[in-house]
Amino acid sequence: QKEVEQNSGPLSVPEGAIASLNCTYSDRGSQSFFWYRQYSGKSPELIMFIYSNGDKEDGRFTAQLNKASQYVSLLIRDSQPSDSATYLCAVVQAAGNKLTFGGGTRVLVKP
Amino acid sequence: GAGVSQSPSNKVTEKGKDVELRCDPISGHTALYWYRQSLGQGLEFLIYFQGNSAPDKSGLPSDRFSAERTGGSVSTLTIQRTQQEDSAVYLCASSKDRPNTGELFFGEGSRLTVL
Repeated sequence: QKEVEQNSGPLSVPEGAIASLNCTYSDRGSQSFFWYRQYSGKSPELIMFIYSNGDKEDGRFTAQLNKASQYVSLLIRDSQPSDSATYLCAVVQAAGNKLTFGGGTRVLVKP
Repeated sequence: GAGVSQSPSNKVTEKGKDVELRCDPISGHTALYWYRQSLGQGLEFLIYFQGNSAPDKSGLPSDRFSAERTGGSVSTLTIQRTQQEDSAVYLCASSKDRPNTGELFFGEGSRLTVL
């Protein structure tokens, strides 16, 4: 089992719709969770972090965390073509401070 | 500089040669990571430096890979006797604090092609 798993996609959504991305992790002791966005040919950039169970909203983005189910998700509301990118889930493992990334989900927003 | 700087941006080498990749983190950042990203794949953890602590080398794929960080700042990733499967983009990232409290800032990467 991979430490952080994501559906590779592509996830195709029409402009204005909600994109829902999922991520599961194996280390039950993990405490910090991040979503990074990576445009093609570019480096990743942080868009959200979440530490506590529940929802965290930032603009059009909502991160959701369920530690009991070892599950973290990202919702993108009112999706725009500029949201087309690969979204990487990252988890800080309980032992040490290693930040482990999932394989990423490619999102395509069609006008 | 304002961001994480990596060099070279592109490196083409022949199989069996050694290569060195350099990372200059943001000034004052104590944590430094190296990741590897193959085409269409996620980020593969290689090594993590935090202040003066012993680095976490658990992600280095073989003993051909090594890294050092001098004076708590600049880091060099060395790959000896390169193989074609080493071809990838090598990304360096730094953060001000331990990663569970802050974000990582990535450099533009060094694209390595082994012929």
